[in-house]
Amino acid sequence: DAKTTQPNSMESNEEEPVHLPCNHSTISGTDYIHWYRQLPSQGPEYVIHGLTSNVNNRMASLAIAEDRKSSTLILHRATLRDAAVYYCILSVSGSARQLTFGSGTQLTVLP
Amino acid sequence: GAVVSQHPSRVICKSGTSVKIECRSLDFQATTMFWYRQFPKQSLMLMATSNEGSKATYEQGVEKDKFLINHASLTLSTLTVTSAHPEDSSFYICSARPSGGAGVGTEAFFGQGTRLTVV
Repeated sequence: DAKTTQPNSMESNEEEPVHLPCNHSTISGTDYIHWYRQLPSQGPEYVIHGLTSNVNNRMASLAIAEDRKSSTLILHRATLRDAAVYYCILSVSGSARQLTFGSGTQLTVLP
Repeated sequence: GAVVSQHPSRVICKSGTSVKIECRSLDFQATTMFWYRQFPKQSLMLMATSNEGSKATYEQGVEKDKFLINHASLTLSTLTVTSAHPEDSSFYICSARPSGGAGVGTEAFFGQGTRLTVV
């Protein structure tokens, strides 16, 4: 599986937007970009995924670079409940294969 | 959305005993489920892939005789930690992904995790 690179940690103020970057320079044409987050002592939770176009859902937005070698997860208004480890993962469309987790980004939200 | 339920959420056992962890997909069928292990302040590490009706596939370094996996139905996989030792204490997480076409049903769903403490 292609590898992703994320900053180890980021901080944000409550109610401000957060941009979490992810580099995936070896992405292949069939790889979807997935984001999951993990709150303390819980299993990971799906956030969003996309292939080429930017995506929006109720939790977040995903901005994908034109060359697909990087992406950014956008939380429009961070809340204290958004404090978690965010994982950016590449996955082949339609595949039931396992997800390979990197080290992720620990997001701290300051009140 | 789809739900994966894992039970128990927390278990304490004595060294040398066995512990069974269940993972159920509640509203979809999963021919394949995945078992991860997570040590404190580390990321999830895949232990094995559970296949309905056939043998599980284990990652390198994971002892198949110690971590027994049974995938008896399309909605249930179990992980049994046999002869548990304190070094097996960890957070165990299961996952399943509904199969689908391009862009459909490709997200993974995770159980809430099982905190195993071996004393």
